[in-house]
Amino acid sequence: EVQLVESGGGLVKPGGSLRLSCAASGFTFSDHYMDWVRQAPGKGLEWVGRSRHKDLNYITEYAASVKGRFSISRDDSKNSLHLQMNSLKTEDSAVYYCVREKSEGGSYNFDSWGQGTLVTVSS
Amino acid sequence: DIQMTQSPSSLSASVGDRVTITCQASQGIRNYLNWYQQKPGKAPKLLIYDASNLEKGVPSRFSGGGSGTDFTFIISGLQPEDFATYYCQQYDNLPAPTFGGGTKVEIK
Repeated sequence: EVQLVESGGGLVKPGGSLRLSCAASGFTFSDHYMDWVRQAPGKGLEWVGRSRHKDLNYITEYAASVKGRFSISRDDSKNSLHLQMNSLKTEDSAVYYCVREKSEGGSYNFDSWGQGTLVTVSS
Repeated sequence: DIQMTQSPSSLSASVGDRVTITCQASQGIRNYLNWYQQKPGKAPKLLIYDASNLEKGVPSRFSGGGSGTDFTFIISGLQPEDFATYYCQQYDNLPAPTFGGGTKVEIK
């Protein structure tokens, strides 16, 4: 069974930093592109960014709203995905989901989601 | 950026009803569209991918269709467990896939 478990959320002041982690199990993590998707309280879904797999040199891509502030990394030896968030703004407050892409070649078909971790940016 | 307009934003329906949700893209996206279901406090769940393909394990009462700019999502025979919010998502305009605003399906 595919499992994605996020951790690292919490309360942080504007301008601060936070690092989220996602522990993956139940599938060959290194074969899949992995993404972060967020959802502000009571709002819709917003794609944050993506890490391709080793065959594509772990290339990352980001939404314009977080580019230059957020960074995605992965450790295939530990089946883990990370989201480093710097220069946080109040509008970054959201539940952050770790998400697997369905196809090993990358597809943006998000077939497995973690339970989410809440990030609150407030003074 | 491609805008995804979902309608309606909410609807009330009864068990057994046929429910139709539409999603319109601001420009053509071929068939690069997915549908998700989200229940309160839970993560979204992929139901339909590539506009019309049913994800493994998803009941056949869910279906999707369309291409280009206009897409439909249908629940044929609404069940109690189907009351949730549904989102469309395009992935033709990259690198930023975008979601529709959601459709909340409530009990009449």
